[in-house]
Amino acid sequence: EAGVTQFPSHSVIEKGQTVTLRCDPISGHDNLYWYRRVMGKEIKFLLHFVKESKQDESGMPNNRFLAERTGGTYSTLKVQPAELEDSGVYFCASSRDRGATLHFGNGTRLTVT
Amino acid sequence: GIQVEQSPPDLILQEGANSTLRCNFSDSVNNLQWFHQNPWGQLINLFYIPSGTKQNGRLSATTVATERYSLLYISSSQTTDSGVYFCAVTGNTPLVFGKGTRLSVIA
Repeated sequence: EAGVTQFPSHSVIEKGQTVTLRCDPISGHDNLYWYRRVMGKEIKFLLHFVKESKQDESGMPNNRFLAERTGGTYSTLKVQPAELEDSGVYFCASSRDRGATLHFGNGTRLTVT
Repeated sequence: GIQVEQSPPDLILQEGANSTLRCNFSDSVNNLQWFHQNPWGQLINLFYIPSGTKQNGRLSATTVATERYSLLYISSSQTTDSGVYFCAVTGNTPLVFGKGTRLSVIA
């Protein structure tokens, strides 16, 4: 089966611009997660979807971040407007059941200049 | 929430050496995974191991859930093993990651 796919692999934008990251989970996986790792720090949880519903968004840093999963398939994470501290690697993961193995995508490396 | 501590934070090995990475966690967990983040930033799932022992080639992992720790063994290390190794756990919360062990294997 195809793995978790993330687009783009890299993005370089200027402060104040908008960026949209996309994640396609493994087919049949209802659970979709966003994580990020900023500048060598820990990998931090952002939010969790079960199908199209936000189950937990306690990790979203502020209202500049908006995640959607319309139709319960792919998900997008929009950062608007981007700030320098948003630079890092954004990972998406999916699992069939909550508590099951999480499968991660290759990440999107975001650089805000 | 659950706290995850990994040790050592940094490790330098000569190619061919063996190593043990440790992960301690503060509460009961339903899931524990070991990941390898390679130099290209990709996060590779190594083991799903909430308890017991598993082996995959030169890598093996043991989790003692009752004592709240897990160990990752790397034998006959190779330069391609370099990168950051993360332990991540979940109880009733989303997966929580430790800070990682940065491994450098030199030829």
